[in-house]
Amino acid sequence: NAGVTQTPKFQVLKTGQSMTLQCAQDMNHEYMSWYRQDPGMGLRLIHYSVGAGITDQGEVPNGYNVSRSTTEDFPLRLLSAAPSQTSVYFCASSFGIPSDTQYFGPGTRLTVL
Amino acid sequence: AQSVTQPDIHITVSEGASLELRCNYSYGATPYLFWYVQSPGQGLQLLLKYFSGDTLVQGIKGFEAEFKRSQSSFNLRKPSVHWSDAAEYFCAVGANNQGGKLIFGQGTELSVKP
Repeated sequence: NAGVTQTPKFQVLKTGQSMTLQCAQDMNHEYMSWYRQDPGMGLRLIHYSVGAGITDQGEVPNGYNVSRSTTEDFPLRLLSAAPSQTSVYFCASSFGIPSDTQYFGPGTRLTVL
Repeated sequence: AQSVTQPDIHITVSEGASLELRCNYSYGATPYLFWYVQSPGQGLQLLLKYFSGDTLVQGIKGFEAEFKRSQSSFNLRKPSVHWSDAAEYFCAVGANNQGGKLIFGQGTELSVKP
């Protein structure tokens, strides 16, 4: 199993550009989520999904869109990048049971100029 | 609302010394509690978790944590720290009615002196 994979590893955008961060898992997990990590703030939940076709907002959803057309994939879209979105982004997945372990991808480091 | 507080932003310990990282949570019912570790430039790896039963939980790499309901705490401990333990540590809480959703603390960065 590859686990949770994320692409790209690094990305530099200019303000106003759009892009999609890719996330895929091969563990047949129902629950997937996106976090952003900023110094001193831990991980904050952006969006999550409890299954294909179902998504919901987390703590910091503004400026981000998601969709879940398959169990395996959960892309995160930035429609118009802003410097405040400079961060490290992590995708995670689990079976969705509260006690279950979440498995994290290696992260995408995004810089918005 | 659920919340997690890690009071210590940065801790430095000598190699071979004992370690305790603090975590306090706010939640109305019995929470599901997790400790994750993040090495520099890496993703997060689960160290241990608590969801029921024995309040002293053993994890990987020689770590343990104790759930104390009366203090709303879930502190992480290790009797003897190794240089390779230098990393950032995150406490997280999940709730029974929220599927896999986790709320994370701010993290504690651990440095290890030779």
